[in-house]
Amino acid sequence: GESVGLHLPTLSVQEGDNSIINCAYSNSASDYFIWYKQESGKGPQFIIDIRSNMDKRQGQRVTVLLNKTVKHLSLQIAATQPGDSAVYFCAEAWGSGGYQKVTFGTGTKLQVIP
Amino acid sequence: SQTIHQWPATLVQPVGSPLSLECTVEGTSNPNLYWYRQAAGRGLQLLFYSVGIGQISSEVPQNLSASRPQDRQFILSSKKLLLSDSGFYLCAWSPRPGTSHTDTQYFGPGTRLTVL
Repeated sequence: GESVGLHLPTLSVQEGDNSIINCAYSNSASDYFIWYKQESGKGPQFIIDIRSNMDKRQGQRVTVLLNKTVKHLSLQIAATQPGDSAVYFCAEAWGSGGYQKVTFGTGTKLQVIP
Repeated sequence: SQTIHQWPATLVQPVGSPLSLECTVEGTSNPNLYWYRQAAGRGLQLLFYSVGIGQISSEVPQNLSASRPQDRQFILSSKKLLLSDSGFYLCAWSPRPGTSHTDTQYFGPGTRLTVL
């Protein structure tokens, strides 16, 4: 499959522990942020999103935190499982009208140790 | 529910040969459509996007072209492939702005292209 994890920062976490993956975004005008999970050889899968008028949003086992002051985004995964092993990357979006501009980060590889 | 399909899943082509990758979306109307390329260990590079039939915007100059002959069909093409065209090609769709509470892009399974 596609080796999307080559040359990426890697986070190794013990199964059952919590994982925190960080992302720094670049555009202070970005008003929408998304986290994706990409397994080897597959397309990115939407995990969770957050708008700039919020600083925290929770999903099932995942929480996204947004700090607009320092332009930082984080994804927290509770009770990490082997199936969580993948590359995770954030995306920032801005713009209006018929098309919204989106920029994707390069990603962090999460390795779950059984 | 909406689904997005890409084919072929993998493709090996010689340098100089033509290319046609297809993407179709089901379960939605008037989506925005996107073509990305992903190199190993790198982020997604936007190649083309489309806000409607026949409307194509190119983000980077390259050896590729895109077409949208139908509302939910997006095609990536090349007349003559280069070695540098190898990569993982992803199609994505997003709801037309104003039609959904989110602007999330949803990705297809991808096509792995190897040019030899």
